[in-house]
Amino acid sequence: NAGVTQTPKFQVLKTGQSMTLQCAQDMNHNSMYWYRQDPGMGLRLIYYSASEGTTDKGEVPNGYNVSRLNKREFSLRLESAAPSQTSVYFCASRNRGQNYGYTFGSGTRLTVV
Amino acid sequence: DAKTTQPPSMDCAEGRAANLPCNHSTISGNEYVYWYRQIHSQGPQYIIHGLKNNETNEMASLIITEDRKSSTLILPHATLRDTAVYYCIVRVVIETSGSRLTFGEGTQLTVNP
Repeated sequence: NAGVTQTPKFQVLKTGQSMTLQCAQDMNHNSMYWYRQDPGMGLRLIYYSASEGTTDKGEVPNGYNVSRLNKREFSLRLESAAPSQTSVYFCASRNRGQNYGYTFGSGTRLTVV
Repeated sequence: DAKTTQPPSMDCAEGRAANLPCNHSTISGNEYVYWYRQIHSQGPQYIIHGLKNNETNEMASLIITEDRKSSTLILPHATLRDTAVYYCIVRVVIETSGSRLTFGEGTQLTVNP
């Protein structure tokens, strides 16, 4: 039981390049989330998906797109990376009816130069 | 969601109890108090949550004041592995929506040998 798996773990992009961060969970959770964490700061929500087929914006959605491919997978895409998107990105999942215990992945460390 | 206030840092001696305070004076009657922690470079980890009664699990105890305007997370016998940033989060459990978490800056707990 792997929980929440994120790939890649590290990535360096040049300004203007695009990439997709992958997230998969094997716990049959309904809801999935993408957060970013800048140095010395708390996590900020980018996008979330309350259930398969739905996505909604969080606090800081600009510059990102998401896809809830199926119940297991929730990807985050940067169409044209900018240095301001240098951050650590965390994916999380949770099951409806479970009012605790969001499960987080180990993060993707992204640097945009 | 109600705003929370936590001290930016605390120290604790190994083997002693660590008491981490959190103020949430604007908490509403249907808002829960959650605690998560983040060990360096890892994804956040759920610790405990409560509504108005004190709660205890294998990791910690949560003491909520009678007026619910503040709470304390207690790690009864802190170890070096408990060194982490601890987040106090107050939110309503909304099962039909994304039910996302809002992270502040948390308290950096350092357990010293």
